[in-house]
Amino acid sequence: QPQLQESGPGLVKPSETLSLTCTVSGGSISSNIYHWGWIRQPPGKGLEWIGGIGGLYYPWSTYYNPSLKGRVTISVDTSKNQFSLKLYSVTAADTAVYYCARRGYNYGYFYMDVWGKGTTVTVSS
Amino acid sequence: DIQLTQSPSFLSASVGDRVTITCRASQGISSYLAWYQQKPGKAPKVLIYAASTLQSGVPSRFSGSGSGTEFTLTISSLQPDDFATYYCQQLNSYPPYSFGQGTKLEIK
Repeated sequence: QPQLQESGPGLVKPSETLSLTCTVSGGSISSNIYHWGWIRQPPGKGLEWIGGIGGLYYPWSTYYNPSLKGRVTISVDTSKNQFSLKLYSVTAADTAVYYCARRGYNYGYFYMDVWGKGTTVTVSS
Repeated sequence: DIQLTQSPSFLSASVGDRVTITCRASQGISSYLAWYQQKPGKAPKVLIYAASTLQSGVPSRFSGSGSGTEFTLTISSLQPDDFATYYCQQLNSYPPYSFGQGTKLEIK
């Protein structure tokens, strides 16, 4: 079972760009079985799927939550076994714990089977 | 977008109780539903996928059922370690892979 680890600044100023990286260890990010995603959780609230990259039929295609209105970009660096999140023009509403996770695949069904521990990002001046 | 509605949002129960959490989808998602358990300060952990398949290593007191638009997670006999928040997630179509709002299970 691979491990995922988020990294990046814990404090971002309003209107700036939030940048996080997820490093995958114990497995290759290049396997076309898996999709690699970002999920966030504002303080005291539920989980929100931000987006993801990769998958069975469309390697390295990206998928984003429409609610983020084009403010997000997810990319992959296979040479470093990492994938990254950029969230632009952040506001206090983007303050959350950010998780990276792997979408697993078994017998035709998907599920988020491996998660990072999460990293807290606060948007504040 | 597919909306998931969990009920109840809060549940108070005792060790040994049988509890059921419901997740309703705004449109049919076949069996593309997963259930997660989250404890404070920790990442979610998958319990069930494909609506009813138990993830390896998860105790058999957890079970899932349903298809289409209505799904249930059942814990047959609550243990102290089970008090946590539970989420359903649909993986039928994206974006986005939406989550339910969560059910917090507390000790009575």
